[in-house]
Amino acid sequence: GQSLEQPSEVTAVEGAIVQINCTYQTSGFYGLSWYQQHDGGAPTFLSYNALDGLEETGRFSSFLSRSDSYGYLLLQELQMKDSASYFCAVNSPGVYNTDKLIFGTGTRLQVFP
Amino acid sequence: NAGVTQTPKFQVLKTGQSMTLQCAQDMNHEYMSWYRQDPGMGLRLIHYSVGAGITDQGEVPNGYNVSRSTTEDFPLRLLSAAPSQTSVYFCASSPRQGNNEQFFGPGTRLTVL
Repeated sequence: GQSLEQPSEVTAVEGAIVQINCTYQTSGFYGLSWYQQHDGGAPTFLSYNALDGLEETGRFSSFLSRSDSYGYLLLQELQMKDSASYFCAVNSPGVYNTDKLIFGTGTRLQVFP
Repeated sequence: NAGVTQTPKFQVLKTGQSMTLQCAQDMNHEYMSWYRQDPGMGLRLIHYSVGAGITDQGEVPNGYNVSRSTTEDFPLRLLSAAPSQTSVYFCASSPRQGNNEQFFGPGTRLTVL
């Protein structure tokens, strides 16, 4: 089976730093993705890690440890607009040597003034 | 580019009715997929396709059929709607195998009475 675990909710204040953790158990693993979804909207891609280490994109960074089956999303200098749900997703083997995305249940981030 | 488009935006069905959710993309992406998202939950993969004529099942395929006759279109058919299929349905596409980034459509909100 496949499972991903994330905290259900995280709260923080503007300007702070928050880390959203994700642990996974999957049969096959290519990489870990992160998506953001605002209420009523569609998910949008944030980052992808195939190798161990930290990937930085502006205020957002994502980390992966394949040996620990663990990753996290780090959001710095939080803004009100960062209030949203954040999903980790595992890229796992699919048909014809492609991969498919299996999503976690998401972490709702609330940023307060 | 319109990106990924989905129709209809909203739909109400009665139990036992059938219908097709439409998804189209104009980015010449090979990879397309369908997800459902229940309230407060993550996205669950229903079916996906890695090119015209090639589809595979995801995590929750029962009650749904797909086909991919063109690169642009990937319709999702509900054979006999059930209340358990009440959900928001998202279609997504990706430019290549090893899809590091998926582009999501705006979603279809389906209610089955």
